[in-house]
Amino acid sequence: GQQLNQSPQSMFIQEGEDVSMNCTSSSIFNTWLWYKQDPGEGPVLLIALYKAGELTSNGRLTAQFGITRKDSFLNISASIPSDVGIYFCAGRMNNNAGNMLTFGGGTRLMVKP
Amino acid sequence: SAVISQKPSRDICQRGTSLTIQCQVDSQVTMMFWYRQQPGQSLTLIATANQGSEATYESGFVIDKFPISRPNLTFSTLTVSNMSPEDSSIYLCSAWTSTDTQYFGPGTRLTVL
Repeated sequence: GQQLNQSPQSMFIQEGEDVSMNCTSSSIFNTWLWYKQDPGEGPVLLIALYKAGELTSNGRLTAQFGITRKDSFLNISASIPSDVGIYFCAGRMNNNAGNMLTFGGGTRLMVKP
Repeated sequence: SAVISQKPSRDICQRGTSLTIQCQVDSQVTMMFWYRQQPGQSLTLIATANQGSEATYESGFVIDKFPISRPNLTFSTLTVSNMSPEDSSIYLCSAWTSTDTQYFGPGTRLTVL
């Protein structure tokens, strides 16, 4: 089946630093979603992307839908301690065979105050 | 957006018993899903809950083990049957909305002794 490769698997950064993570796929997606999951909670939607090349911001977060439709990245600027968590990318094909989301393996972010 | 609640939030169960997890969405949604998440892992789709018909299961998951109901557009249940310690996991309900985004419930943390 299709897979999403998410990198890096983990990051340990200093508070105030910028963060970048990305996902690549062997398949084309029509929708990219980015989620954050805190311990003991369900994933919370951060940003949704629907068009190739689309660049969308949500506060200090910025995500882009790759031109090839096979990749996406998420940037976090000026990280703060509450950014700690696991970030997941997810892609959706929106066709009869694939209305389900495919998830990346997650990026665990740790922020040192 | 959609607000999703799950009951119970956690449970500790004995081997061989069954547990039914309830999922309630605050608005009518087109699609509902059930996921499983092992500690430190990404999300694995169990099945798509279809309103008024049998759920669609992913490879490795069967109806006898994970019976699912979806009596209307806002509610679904997942039963984990004849549990074993290997079923210990977080079970997440999810919904795809008319705004082309997917939201998750807070999860049910299941421990089987």
